[in-house]
Amino acid sequence: GQSLEQPSEVTAVEGAIVQINCTYQTSGFYGLSWYQQHDGGAPTFLSYNGLDGLEETGRFSSFLSRSDSYGYLLLQELQMKDSASYFCAVNAGKSTFGDGTTLTVKP
Amino acid sequence: NAGVTQTPKFRILKIGQSMTLQCAQDMNHNYMYWYRQDPGMGLKLIYYSVGAGITDKGEVPNGYNVSRSTTEDFPLRLELAAPSQTSVYFCASSSSKQGAAGYTFGSGTRLTVV
Repeated sequence: GQSLEQPSEVTAVEGAIVQINCTYQTSGFYGLSWYQQHDGGAPTFLSYNGLDGLEETGRFSSFLSRSDSYGYLLLQELQMKDSASYFCAVNAGKSTFGDGTTLTVKP
Repeated sequence: NAGVTQTPKFRILKIGQSMTLQCAQDMNHNYMYWYRQDPGMGLKLIYYSVGAGITDKGEVPNGYNVSRSTTEDFPLRLELAAPSQTSVYFCASSSSKQGAAGYTFGSGTRLTVV
């Protein structure tokens, strides 16, 4: 099976750079993805890093170490609207999601 | 493009009732998924499909059934609703098995069982 761990909360200030970490255990692996979810909304895709290459969106980038079963999402030039929950997901034919990290951006 | 459309957006069910959550996508994606999300938690996979006529169980399939008669539609059936099924249900689709293009999610169905 698959399991993921990510911090429950992260706080940063507007304009800063923040890193959200994710460690995973999986019996198969295609890639690690990241999603953003605002309160009450649908998750939206931010980044993929894995066997099919790298996909990133806007100010969001990601890093992956397959040997360490570890990855992180990097958010640059933080804006207030980036306050949301961020989920890592490991894909082994279907995606298993972590419990999410709540990012609070302060002025 | 509409993307992934889910109906209804909200529903209250009584214990023991049944209902079908509808999901349709217009992107010609082969891969479709049903997830549930409990408050403050991540998404748990209920069922998924790799193409019309093919479905398989995910992590939490008990109490649910699915069918995939067309590429576009992937309805989720709840039989004999229980309070433990109170959750937000998200349908998603993808163009690749590996997930490189990401999943496109519908806006969700908020279900309360009382």
